[in-house]
This record gives sequence, C-alpha cells and structure tokens, in this order.
Amino acid sequence: EIVLTQSPATLSLSPGQRATLSCRASQSVDNQLAWYQQKPGQAPRLIIYDASNRATGIPPRFSGSGSGTDFTLTISSLEPEDVAVYYCQQCSKKLYTFGQGTTLEIK
Amino acid sequence: EVQLVESGGGLVQPGGSLRLSCAASGFTFSPYTMSWVRQAPGKGLEWISYITSASDSISYADSVKGRFTVSRDNAKNSLFLQMDSLRDDDTAVYFCARERRGYYLDYWGQGTPVTVSS
Repeated sequence: EIVLTQSPATLSLSPGQRATLSCRASQSVDNQLAWYQQKPGQAPRLIIYDASNRATGIPPRFSGSGSGTDFTLTISSLEPEDVAVYYCQQCSKKLYTFGQGTTLEIK
Repeated sequence: EVQLVESGGGLVQPGGSLRLSCAASGFTFSPYTMSWVRQAPGKGLEWISYITSASDSISYADSVKGRFTVSRDNAKNSLFLQMDSLRDDDTAVYFCARERRGYYLDYWGQGTPVTVSS
C-alpha cells in the first residue's frame, strides 16, 4: 500500500499570502495524484488531478506540481474562503489512499 | 448537473446491519466506476470500496472486507453499500463518489451519517 504523507499538518497564513502544501508518496505514483478541498461541514471537492490539472470551476490561484513521489499544492494568493482541509490522494493496485490532510487557517 | 445523494444512514447497535444507497442523476451512471469513502468524526478520509461499471471488478479496504458488500443497479442509477457486523469504529459519514480514469473522484455526494453505538 502506498502511504501519502502531507505536511505541514496545519498552516496559518494571512489573506493575500501564498500557501504551499506538500504531499509525499512512499513510492512513485507517476503523476496520478489528486488534491481535494474539504470545507467545514461539506463533502470533499476535487481541485487538482494528474498532479497539475485544475478541475472544472477551480480558480487559477490553485496550482499543483510534482511527479513521482513529491507533490505540491500552491494557492498563490489566499482568500478567506480557502479555509479548509486539503487532502492528496492516489490509487495503486486497486487500493486508494488519502493523505492525512493539511488544515489551512486564515489569520 | 451531476448529483449524488446518499441515504440510509442512522443509528445502529454493534453487530447490526445497514444498507446505504446513493442515487445518481445528471449524468449517464452506467459507464462509471463508483466508490464509497468514509470519514470518522474529526478524522480524515478513508476509501472503503469501489465497483466498476459492470460490477465485474470490486475492491474493499481491509478494514471492511468480509463485512461490507458494494453493489449497483444501473437501470435505477443507484449504488449501494450493505454493511453487516457493524462495529463502533464504523461510525462515520459515508460518501459516494464518481471515479475517473482509474483513480480520482470528481463528484461526491453530501454524505450520510452512520453511528454505531449501544
């Protein structure tokens, strides 16, 4: 089973700042990595797939990068509505795994 | 508009059973692999099962294997999760989700809560 490790666990930044979230896989997943945003009380929403492709309706301030084992989700200029938990996810050999999540707080 | 609506959650005693349903609308359901994902209170996301379009490939997480059964009815645009031998640690919100290209989940339902408690 591929383990995804996210860092940091919590990130606290001000509006307008840049957020950088990391996801590391225990073995290569090529570029088959997705990111999800989950706001309090809501279902997760897909924001990035194939490591760097934005999902439908996702604003351009969200971007993804990386391949192999190291991936990054960047939010270029934080908005108050970006408060959420962000999860990375992959699927290998019919087993899906999620990272433990990064909580993004806005000061 | 793609919609997934779960139902069937509730309070059940340890050892009991529940059957969750997920009603799909706004897209052609039959060609898509579907998954169930759960989230225990205050915890992260845990994938628990998927089923391919023709039900010819099914997979489960070890935590539910042998206790949960996933199925679907393409004629009724519905996905199901039969949960037996429920345990306290099965308490969670259960989400159904549509899978794309073998790994990512592009649409999710709002979830249905399941509480296992005596």
